[in-house]
Amino acid sequence: NAGVMQNPRHLVRRRGQEARLRCSPMKGHSHVYWYRQLPEEGLKFMVYLQKENIIDESGMPKERFSAEFPKEGPSILRIQQVVRGDSAAYFCASTGQGNTEAFFGQGTRLTVV
Amino acid sequence: DQQVKQNSPSLSVQEGRISILNCDYTNSMFDYFLWYKKYPAEGPTFLISISSIKDKNEDGRFTVFLNKSAKHLSLHIVPSQPGDSAVYFCAASANSGYALNFGKGTSLLVTP
Repeated sequence: NAGVMQNPRHLVRRRGQEARLRCSPMKGHSHVYWYRQLPEEGLKFMVYLQKENIIDESGMPKERFSAEFPKEGPSILRIQQVVRGDSAAYFCASTGQGNTEAFFGQGTRLTVV
Repeated sequence: DQQVKQNSPSLSVQEGRISILNCDYTNSMFDYFLWYKKYPAEGPTFLISISSIKDKNEDGRFTVFLNKSAKHLSLHIVPSQPGDSAVYFCAASANSGYALNFGKGTSLLVTP
């Protein structure tokens, strides 16, 4: 399966804990995007990364959220000290160089209790 | 600020008829538009796209129309099938695919 892989599919965290969401882009893709979908809302852009570089993080909350896409391994979205409002579905998408259609993973559903 | 708007949260259509999903946008810098289909507990799946240099793009049962002067696009599905029942998201970008702006989605139900 050469699609965008996200894990875990479901993640439950207590308030104050850390959440780590992983995304492996499609084979051959080097651009990764993270989106968040709150209940009854559309997907909201968070961050755009290329290998080892953050290109645009204008959609990321200023505190507690960070993202990386190392030279080796998956992209990681990290949420520190989670709060109930962080509960959402987090989707990762990838594109190749020059491609315009983003392919999405199945998402990670984060629940903060 | 919602730059991409899908004003109909839901739509019900009979099998075999045409489904028309609408989308409006406010940012005149948008130059690339996409439609995604999403089933519950799954990620969005790319359906069809259109560049701002065109006003129509067709792929099988799916056609997207773009009216730049009205900042409006629509997705036509004909004939509609029960398997088309899903949430449809309209998305737009200002750099041909970079940082998509999504609408809130329209839930389509195709009844037999």
